[in-house]
Amino acid sequence: ETGVTQTPRHLVMGMTNKKSLKCEQHLGHNAMYWYKQSAKKPLELMFVYSLEERVENNSVPSRFSPECPNSSHLFLHLHTLQPEDSALYLCASSQVYGASYEQYFGPGTRLTVT
Amino acid sequence: DAKTTQPPSMDCAEGRAANLPCNHSTISGNEYVYWYRQIHSQGPQYIIHGLKNNETNEMASLIITEDRKSSTLILPHATLRDTAVYYCIRQIQGAQKLVFGQGTRLTINP
Repeated sequence: ETGVTQTPRHLVMGMTNKKSLKCEQHLGHNAMYWYKQSAKKPLELMFVYSLEERVENNSVPSRFSPECPNSSHLFLHLHTLQPEDSALYLCASSQVYGASYEQYFGPGTRLTVT
Repeated sequence: DAKTTQPPSMDCAEGRAANLPCNHSTISGNEYVYWYRQIHSQGPQYIIHGLKNNETNEMASLIITEDRKSSTLILPHATLRDTAVYYCIRQIQGAQKLVFGQGTRLTINP
């Protein structure tokens, strides 16, 4: 239990569906992240929110839309995905200021696009 | 570009010390060395980090060479639950971008 929860844990969706992934952190952190992990590839950083502002968008297609309503919650809205978007989506959080900056990860959402 | 080099896989016997090397020969003076691990189908887990001094916590020890061009993560008494992919990452303290490479797949054998 890392203090970062993600729902749902598994999701199967068609290419025309719209769905959202949710992440919540209970660590008092003020930065949150979305990562994508495809089969046999390293984790790829998708988005970074720091103090509720998006500070990084790593050339992610617009069919992925993040939302950070407050420092504890992060969403990833999905629409018209492609089969190659099937992957493990991981959320993480960390401090922005202070002595330690390590990131704490949630368990991930396993997404399958059919 | 992960900018660290790790062996793709290693094996270790249960109960022995597991020593995982990492090469970061181009590391900058303000970059720390962070170690994470990822047990199958779970999110990565932070292990330890350091700048130039050796570090130890309840999970592991980190030995950084004097020239800072390489480091070794030591799991002193490996258990089967330590089987995972271990990632060595360079990070400027306070920077929020983690760049993961392929890591080392460590298998602990009974």
